[in-house]
Amino acid sequence: EVQLVQSGAEVKKPGESLKISCKGSGYSFTSYWIGWVRQMPGKGLEWMGIIYPGDSDTRYSPSFQGQVTISADKSISTAYLQWSSLKASDTAMYYCARLRWDCSGGSCTAYFDYWGQGTLVTVSS
Amino acid sequence: DIQMTQSPSSLSASVGDRVTITCQASQDISNYLNWYQQKPGKAPKLLIYDASNLETGVPSRFSGSGSGTDFTFTISSLQPEDIATYYCQQYDNLRLTFGGGTKVEIK
Repeated sequence: EVQLVQSGAEVKKPGESLKISCKGSGYSFTSYWIGWVRQMPGKGLEWMGIIYPGDSDTRYSPSFQGQVTISADKSISTAYLQWSSLKASDTAMYYCARLRWDCSGGSCTAYFDYWGQGTLVTVSS
Repeated sequence: DIQMTQSPSSLSASVGDRVTITCQASQDISNYLNWYQQKPGKAPKLLIYDASNLETGVPSRFSGSGSGTDFTFTISSLQPEDIATYYCQQYDNLRLTFGGGTKVEIK
């Protein structure tokens, strides 16, 4: 059974650093991209970026480039999302999700087929 | 970046009604369009991929259509358990964008 298990809720102060995690199991972790999605309180889904744990190839949404760092440790099947200096506006639920991406015959498909349970990050002084 | 305009932002319908949500891309995305359902307090769930393919295990009352820039998501007969927010999502060379979401409520 494919599972993505995220780390627990965090409460931080502005300016602090943070690294949250997403552990995959039940599939070949190095063969699928993992993405991160932000959902601010009462708002919609925003794609932040993706990483391919097999070679650490990482792509960021322009909105999040330079604001966060996505990484992965394939030895423990875990992806990470980190901030060096949190802001109150980083308060949100963060989801990781497995990206099923296949390209063949000039056509591609890419969709998030499994999701983590979410990590709530609260930044408040 | 490709922008996705989803409408309406919310709707209210009766049990058994046909519900339609649209998503418009700012440029041609072929059929690179997925639909997700998110119930309150839960992670999103994939319903439709590649514009019209039903994910395994998803009830057949859900369907999707379209290509190019205009896409449609339909619930043929709204059920109480379909109360949720629905999102479209496009992918273009591994750059993804979600639509703004449509909140579906029971009248």
